[in-house]
Amino acid sequence: GAGVSQSPSNKVTEKGKDVELRCDPISGHTALYWYRQSLGQGLEFLIYFQGNSAPDKSGLPSDRFSAERTGGSVSTLTIQRTQQEDSAVYLCASSRGGRSYNEQFFGPGTRLTVL
Amino acid sequence: GENVEQHPSTLSVQEGDSAVIKCTYSDSASNYFPWYKQELGKRPQLIIDIRSNVGEKKDQRIAVTLNKTAKHFSLHITETQPEDSAVYFCAASRNNDMRFGAGTRLTVKP
Repeated sequence: GAGVSQSPSNKVTEKGKDVELRCDPISGHTALYWYRQSLGQGLEFLIYFQGNSAPDKSGLPSDRFSAERTGGSVSTLTIQRTQQEDSAVYLCASSRGGRSYNEQFFGPGTRLTVL
Repeated sequence: GENVEQHPSTLSVQEGDSAVIKCTYSDSASNYFPWYKQELGKRPQLIIDIRSNVGEKKDQRIAVTLNKTAKHFSLHITETQPEDSAVYFCAASRNNDMRFGAGTRLTVKP
């Protein structure tokens, strides 16, 4: 079946502009995660959605970052007034949820470049 | 929240040697510990995982060990091959709330 998909694959924007990144999880997966990966760096946790529960936003680096998950499926990560330090690959992952031992399946990522 | 530390950040071994990557975690309630491999330009993929009720798990050339008391777990790769070269991430999870270590860049020299 289809895996996790993300769009766009690449995004170049000017400093100060807003951007929206989209994630389509695997059908039926109730858990969805956003991570940021700077060049050669690790997976920085941003936000976690589990079903209808309030999301865990503890990883969002500033109030310029927000995310929504509509209908328990597609998620959008929005970065307002982008800064050059926001340049990174943004990875989305989904898992079955509902129990503890669930593999996360990652999307291909969106490479964001802020000029 | 959970904090996962991973060492070393880089590791270089000769083909055929063993490689060991170690992680510690802070939340004693974490009960699931996966390892992901990320090849250059690709997405991370699960290679092996272990649950908190198990001390060791092996799958061909890779094995993981878990010490719940000390809150640390390790990845062991034996008979390394050049295709093992990648970045490896450990993670700790409780109720699907997962946090990753900073990663280890493994280079296997032919």
